[in-house]
Amino acid sequence: TQLLEQSPQFLSIQEGENLTVYCNSSSVFSSLQWYRQEPGEGPVLLVTVVTGGEVKKLKRLTFQFGDARKDSSLHITAAQPGDTGLYLCAGREAGGATNKLIFGTGTLLAVQP
Amino acid sequence: KAGVTQTPRYLIKTRGQQVTLSCSPISGHRSVSWYQQTPGQGLQFLFEYFSETQRNKGNFPGRFSGRQFSNSRSEMNVSTLELGDSALYLCASSFQGQGYEQYFGPGTRLTVT
Repeated sequence: TQLLEQSPQFLSIQEGENLTVYCNSSSVFSSLQWYRQEPGEGPVLLVTVVTGGEVKKLKRLTFQFGDARKDSSLHITAAQPGDTGLYLCAGREAGGATNKLIFGTGTLLAVQP
Repeated sequence: KAGVTQTPRYLIKTRGQQVTLSCSPISGHRSVSWYQQTPGQGLQFLFEYFSETQRNKGNFPGRFSGRQFSNSRSEMNVSTLELGDSALYLCASSFQGQGYEQYFGPGTRLTVT
């Protein structure tokens, strides 16, 4: 069974601080997606990384896929209150003819003004 | 394009009853996946449909079933509801069979009393 562990589980920071969220597995994924979810809503796709070592930037967010495609990180620079939410990583199983996603345990981020 | 829509958004049922949830994917998307989200277990994969065929199924009891219609709309059914079935049920659609990004709907909040 493929599992994705995220750390930290909870993070409360002040506006303007930087932070990094980690997503780790012992399994290889063909791709990995990051989502942000707000209470009572569905996850919103932020980015998809596919190639080992790939780095993608989305404004103040930087996403990295590990060389071995087993882990990923999300770095936020100068966090803002609007970044508050539940961050989820999700990996697509390697080698399968399916869209099934394995979700991480989630990181709940609160950015205080 | 309109996003993924799910109906109803909220539902309250009694133990032993059954429920049907509906999902309309993004226009042109043929793959629909269903997930259950609870505070304790996080997001867990229920099943995936592609071109009216169930392609993958998660580790849930047979009380959970689904289907997909020729217009790609999907329904999931839960029979003999239990208290533990209370959750946010999320539907995600994807353009093609595999390897494409998934987009989530707002979810249906099911409460079983």
